[in-house]
Amino acid sequence: GNSVTQMEGPVTLSEEAFLTINCTYTATGYPSLFWYVQYPGEGLQLLLKATKADDKGSNKGFEATYRKETTSFHLEKGSVQVSDSAVYFCALSVPYSGAGSYQLTFGKGTKLSVIP
Amino acid sequence: DARVTQTPRDKVTEMGQEVTMRCQPILGHNTVFWYRQTMMQGLELLAYFRNRAPLDDSGMPKDRFSAEMPDATLATLKIQPSEPRDSAVYFCASLLAGDKNEQFFGPGTRLTVL
Repeated sequence: GNSVTQMEGPVTLSEEAFLTINCTYTATGYPSLFWYVQYPGEGLQLLLKATKADDKGSNKGFEATYRKETTSFHLEKGSVQVSDSAVYFCALSVPYSGAGSYQLTFGKGTKLSVIP
Repeated sequence: DARVTQTPRDKVTEMGQEVTMRCQPILGHNTVFWYRQTMMQGLELLAYFRNRAPLDDSGMPKDRFSAEMPDATLATLKIQPSEPRDSAVYFCASLLAGDKNEQFFGPGTRLTVL
């Protein structure tokens, strides 16, 4: 089956620090990989995605590269801001996989707190 | 700005009462998902539909939960009877299968069962 493992939090960083949140996966087929962000009291929002090996997804200063050889999709940002405080979820889906198509498998989430 | 809407945003009820949560997917999206989020279990997929037909509801307790799509613009999740362990945030998400493979989430319904 499919699974996603991401580093457990919470993670607390000072403003302008470098962020890495690790994510590894197992999947049958060829997954698409996603990072979703959830701000307090809100639903999940897609942050970035990658659909094939070596693709790099990027958005709002965040980046993640689809590494097939290490089955990883680590999230990075060079300089975090207080407004980045949220819960980050790594996820995968395997399109065109029959009844399971597009179903997302999520990691447990990593809570990030950025302090001024 | 197309978005998924959910009602109610908050619901407090007593054990044994019926609860109905509603979701309006983005117009044109043909796949709808229901998730439950708790601190202990994280995000769990309860059920999902494509073109209004249920594809998978294996994550849903069948004895008390039911999910339907009466039409393409409305999905419902019903709990009868509700129990305190059902307290959670319930999210609906939609996507257009074959498009960018992106799920768009609603703001959630926070359910508290006393």
